[in-house]
Amino acid sequence: EPEVTQTPSHQVTQMGQEVILRCVPISNHLYFYWYRQILGQKVEFLVSFYNNEISEKSEIFDDQFSVERPDGSNFTLKIRSTKLEDSAMYFCASRGLLNEQFFGPGTRLTVL
Amino acid sequence: AQSVSQHNHHVILSEAASLELGCNYSYGGTVNLFWYVQYPGQHLQLLLKYFSGDPLVKGIKGFEAEFIKSKFSFNLRKPSVQWSDTAEYFCAVGPSGTYKYIFGTGTRLKVLA
Repeated sequence: EPEVTQTPSHQVTQMGQEVILRCVPISNHLYFYWYRQILGQKVEFLVSFYNNEISEKSEIFDDQFSVERPDGSNFTLKIRSTKLEDSAMYFCASRGLLNEQFFGPGTRLTVL
Repeated sequence: AQSVSQHNHHVILSEAASLELGCNYSYGGTVNLFWYVQYPGQHLQLLLKYFSGDPLVKGIKGFEAEFIKSKFSFNLRKPSVQWSDTAEYFCAVGPSGTYKYIFGTGTRLKVLA
């Protein structure tokens, strides 16, 4: 069964550094998403991406964040200058024609 | 603002007990509704979904949920839980006209063997 994959599984970085989280969505899916879950809190929507552009974003997704689909398979989330409060689990999801999102295993980001 | 409420944060049950987890949402328009499960150390997996039609939907592993439009609710049920159902359960709403899901805070279920 096809699945969404994410790398790395755990990323540790220093405050102020840039990080790139990588996702490989399911191959024939067209819609891509990033969510995050701060420890002990709910899963929060960050951004959705379709046809090589952002289709919707939350207020969390400020200028520090960017997304890209650099090739036909990867979907990346970049945080330009990480802050302590960016520490969270980041989930990628993809969706086909039906409104059903498939989630990856997540990347745990720890900002020191 | 659109929101999803899960009132039970922690639930502890014995095996074979019945389960009902509450989910209420605030959104006046058409919605798609989902329950996801997250087993320890694993990613979110879809348990069941409601798009339209029969408000009683059946999912995997013996779970079902009922959409009650007048109550803005989508409660998850299972008649007899097993130890392997120990996990965190998330209700999610996909409002029409948006691409995103709005998640509830999750319910941690612990089933005692």
